[in-house]
Amino acid sequence: SYELTQPPSLSVSPGQTASITCSGDNLGDRDASWYQQKPGQSPVLVIYQTSRRPSGIPERFSGSNSGNTATLTISGTQAMDEADYYCQTWDSSVVFGGGTKLTVL
Amino acid sequence: QVHLVESGGGVVQPGRSLTLSCAASGFTFSSFPMHWVRQAPGKGLEWVAVILYDGSNKYYADSVKGRFTISRDNSKDTLFLQMNSLRAEDTAVYYCARSYSSGWYFNFWGQGTLVTVSS
Repeated sequence: SYELTQPPSLSVSPGQTASITCSGDNLGDRDASWYQQKPGQSPVLVIYQTSRRPSGIPERFSGSNSGNTATLTISGTQAMDEADYYCQTWDSSVVFGGGTKLTVL
Repeated sequence: QVHLVESGGGVVQPGRSLTLSCAASGFTFSSFPMHWVRQAPGKGLEWVAVILYDGSNKYYADSVKGRFTISRDNSKDTLFLQMNSLRAEDTAVYYCARSYSSGWYFNFWGQGTLVTVSS
């Protein structure tokens, strides 16, 4: 079965750029999506179709996908961006990455 | 606006059954694939199942295939998950989620309902 691998954690200083990676075999040939989940809350879609932002998602969130790696980039990271982030892809089933805990300090 | 409200969670003994419901509003329910996604305590997201528009096509994660059944009632805008032969590892918050028609990424989620499998 298809697998997506994310780093368990990432720390970034406020105002800096956070890059969260997601690796899978030929992931660049697939759609990649990203979700933000804060404690006690349901996930929120922040990027879909690799680089598209749903309405209401700040422009500082962007995505890319090439080769075996998709990347979620948060430019000018703010304290409110501290959360767990999950990548996801799909074909005849849906696969999530294991999640990355982003700490802003 | 889109609203998804799950219900039916609770504590159940191993081997028993439970049915979850998800009431949808704010959109044309029959026009979208609907999914169940779960999250074990302190763990990541795990996709469970999807049902397409009229319910004729359903797909399941290997971990629940043969034990769980997804269904929908488009006349009542409601999604269901029948869970049989429950195991301790099925303990999780279960979310219903609506995906885009053009791809299985989830732009709307419910608040989740907790299922605890324990003797």
